[in-house]
Amino acid sequence: QVQLVESGGGVVQPGKSLRLSCAASGFAFNTYSIHWVRQAPGQGLAWVAVISYDGSNKYYADSVKGRFTISRDNSKNTLYLQMNNLRPEDTAVYFCARYCRGASCAHFDYWGQGTLVTVSS
Amino acid sequence: QSVLTQPPSVSGAPGQTVTISCTGSSSNLGAGNGAGYAVHWYQQVPGAAPKLLLFDNHNRPSGVPDRFSGSKSGTSASLAITGLQAEDEAEYYCQSYDSGLFYVFGTGTKVTVL
Repeated sequence: QVQLVESGGGVVQPGKSLRLSCAASGFAFNTYSIHWVRQAPGQGLAWVAVISYDGSNKYYADSVKGRFTISRDNSKNTLYLQMNNLRPEDTAVYFCARYCRGASCAHFDYWGQGTLVTVSS
Repeated sequence: QSVLTQPPSVSGAPGQTVTISCTGSSSNLGAGNGAGYAVHWYQQVPGAAPKLLLFDNHNRPSGVPDRFSGSKSGTSASLAITGLQAEDEAEYYCQSYDSGLFYVFGTGTKVTVL
């Protein structure tokens, strides 16, 4: 079965860095685009970044552009999110989510359980 | 910042029908020639990950009960839950693609079963 398991969250001071990981299993990881979506405490969902199946294309939300970097290692079936210069407003649960595959496909069909990042001094 | 607007909450007694609206704009639900980008719906129970509920406006993934249905017209979409059950109590989010913002979610609607 499809599984996405995030890790790497924790408490970090403003201005510091953190790297999240998302380990995938149960599907052909190297054929799917994968996204990061976050949810601030008590708030709604917000898209963060996406990487194409082969890592050649990456897109970011304006709120994280220039500070966050999405990457993947298809040999390890793992997705990453390098977060630099963290701000208190980056505090959230971070989910990795698989993007469906197909010409007209445009939804997230599987989600991980999330990892909490808290940015506080 | 959410660009798809949903009512904060809806409620209903067991067995009743509730409807959740999702209002967008010409850059997402109503984009292009009017057909716009598709809307998708997710269910999130507290403390858990979102779960895909409907995709491409009205299609249900395997395992989702047919009590859940969806529609879309112009810049608006809706999710209906018929025969409301206690297990349907959750937060519901719509999602679409936006030509300027990429992937966008709704503000979320809390469904309460009375």
